Amino acid sequence: KQEVTQIPAALSVPEGENLVLNCSFTDSAIYNLQWFRQDPGKGLTSLLLIQSSQREQTSGRLNASLDKSSGRSTLYIAASQPGDSATYLCAVENQGGKLIFGQGTELSVKP
Amino acid sequence: GAVVSQHPSRVICKSGTSVKIECRSLDFQATTMFWYRQFPKQSLMLMATSNEGSKATYEQGVEKDKFLINHASLTLSTLTVTSAHPEDSSFYICSALRQGATAIQYFGAGTRLSVL
Repeated sequence: KQEVTQIPAALSVPEGENLVLNCSFTDSAIYNLQWFRQDPGKGLTSLLLIQSSQREQTSGRLNASLDKSSGRSTLYIAASQPGDSATYLCAVENQGGKLIFGQGTELSVKP
Repeated sequence: GAVVSQHPSRVICKSGTSVKIECRSLDFQATTMFWYRQFPKQSLMLMATSNEGSKATYEQGVEKDKFLINHASLTLSTLTVTSAHPEDSSFYICSALRQGATAIQYFGAGTRLSVL
């Protein structure tokens, strides 16, 4: 059974810092991995999607890497801003399009 | 990006009543939609896969008679929470699967259900 774990559960940093969020999964047979952002009481916004054959994806200040063999992904946020404060969710897609989510990392960026 | 509309965004109901939540894909057709539940400070848990024109597939531990799913058209899936109880209070989120070179799920904004 696929399990997805995110570390840390919560993170507070001052504005401007670069930071790394971690995601690990137990079954390396995935189709892709996605990082989402969720604001309090809101739905999900997809940030980056990495196909199983890819190693990384970049969008603006965000960079996500994938090491399928070791079951790990990282989300790197450069020059963090208060507007980046949210919960970040990692999810892996298994067969049939099902997404298995991690518990999320709650990020707070202080001005 | 594709748009998925979920309605209502918030509902408060009395224990024992039924509540229907709608999930619509506004600019693409979706033969497959998913329903998730999220408890406070926890992650999203897949409840069921909704297939247009056929029965939904429920995850282990999810009562199909309590959470009725109907996917009667290519743009609409509904989740009905029957005989709601306080423990059903949660945040329910749907997603619609857009097929293409890469199949991607687009998520609704979620429905906050509070059962009194």
